Amino acid sequence: DGGITQSPKYLFRKEGQNVTLSCEQNLNHDAMYWYRQDPGQGLRLIYYSQIVNDFQKGDIAEGYSVSREKKESFPLTVTSAQKNPTAFYLCASSIIVGEGTEAFFGQGTRLTVV
Amino acid sequence: GDSVTQMEGPVTLSEEAFLTINCTYTATGYPSLFWYVQYPGEGLQLLLKATKADDKGSNKGFEATYRKETTSFHLEKGSVQVSDSAVYFCALSVLRRALTFGSGTRLQVQP
Repeated sequence: DGGITQSPKYLFRKEGQNVTLSCEQNLNHDAMYWYRQDPGQGLRLIYYSQIVNDFQKGDIAEGYSVSREKKESFPLTVTSAQKNPTAFYLCASSIIVGEGTEAFFGQGTRLTVV
Repeated sequence: GDSVTQMEGPVTLSEEAFLTINCTYTATGYPSLFWYVQYPGEGLQLLLKATKADDKGSNKGFEATYRKETTSFHLEKGSVQVSDSAVYFCALSVLRRALTFGSGTRLQVQP
């Protein structure tokens, strides 16, 4: 089945550690995105990528990093510089960025700092 | 910049009641408009969309009409079911920019 796979579903991190969230898609989409979801705040864009080896910062990129070495994969690293990393992280993909195209979402990763 | 404003939740309704969730937007350009739904512990799914003024998106009994004059895209359903309980997000995209989401509205439908 085509879709987006995020792993792990739950992730616990100690303060001061970096952690990487995985996102893989087999939809042959060029565009991929990372959003952060906090209660009552909707989804905020962290990074997005329009094509392999290219990505742009979103509204809340500080403390995060990404790579896009393969079309299928767009991992997100939450660094120790991110002051409040506990949140629900959603990865998405679409054929292209914008232009009325539908974004498909993964099931999310819930990150908790302990 | 682009922004989406949704009515605060939660919205609590009895089964078979009429639903309206308000959504207004501001955008630099001519946006496409979307409604996404999120069930507990899951990602988002597209519910419906409209790409130009006066278009009506519809799916599973839900409808929304793109009103350029009032910059609105209100979600409606004539008769809600318990299974419609979820969080609903209004969103927009302009040209080649990523989706911008509203804060979400939680719907609770009681039997």
